[in-house]
Amino acid sequence: DAKTTQPTSMDCAEGRAANLPCNHSTISGNEYVYWYRQIHSQGPQYIIHGLKNNETNEMASLIITEDRKSSTLILPHATLRDTAVYYCIVIGQTSGSRLTFGEGTQLTVNP
Amino acid sequence: EPEVTQTPSHQVTQMGQEVILRCVPISNHLYFYWYRQILGQKVEFLVSFYNNEISEKSEIFDDQFSVERPDGSNFTLKIRSTKLEDSAMYFCANIRDRGISEQFFGPGTRLTVL
Repeated sequence: DAKTTQPTSMDCAEGRAANLPCNHSTISGNEYVYWYRQIHSQGPQYIIHGLKNNETNEMASLIITEDRKSSTLILPHATLRDTAVYYCIVIGQTSGSRLTFGEGTQLTVNP
Repeated sequence: EPEVTQTPSHQVTQMGQEVILRCVPISNHLYFYWYRQILGQKVEFLVSFYNNEISEKSEIFDDQFSVERPDGSNFTLKIRSTKLEDSAMYFCANIRDRGISEQFFGPGTRLTVL
């Protein structure tokens, strides 16, 4: 699975959009980009995933660059409850693949 | 919305004792996982389980660890003889089907080995 690079920490004001970047320059054509988050030692929570098209769900939007070497997770209106560590994970197209967590980005949403 | 549950939420044990951590996955989910997270460190994969057998395991998952589905619903992780370094949060997770899909995690069991 491709390696990912994320900033260690970010801050965001409550109600503003939080844009979390991820670099995955060695991603291969059949690898997906997944985003999870972990709120203060709770179990990780799935957010969104994509292959090459931009994706949106009720939690977030995922923007993947055309060359697929980087992506951005967007929380459109961050709340205090979005304070968490956010993980960008690249997974091969293999059934039942393990998740390999990196250090992630600690997002702090400030009032 | 269905949830993954884990028991106990906190387990304290003496070094050398056996512990069994339990997980009730979402029904009809077919792939099961255990992960652990030592305090202040990354979440680490331990083992995946499908069709009543281990499909993949990490180097952490040595002979002291075992997994099973004793009754077709619960999914357990057993540590035969706990060590101090086994103190961690243990998370189980499952996915619906063989295709790529999101993993649903339980709330975790905090294991403290004294």
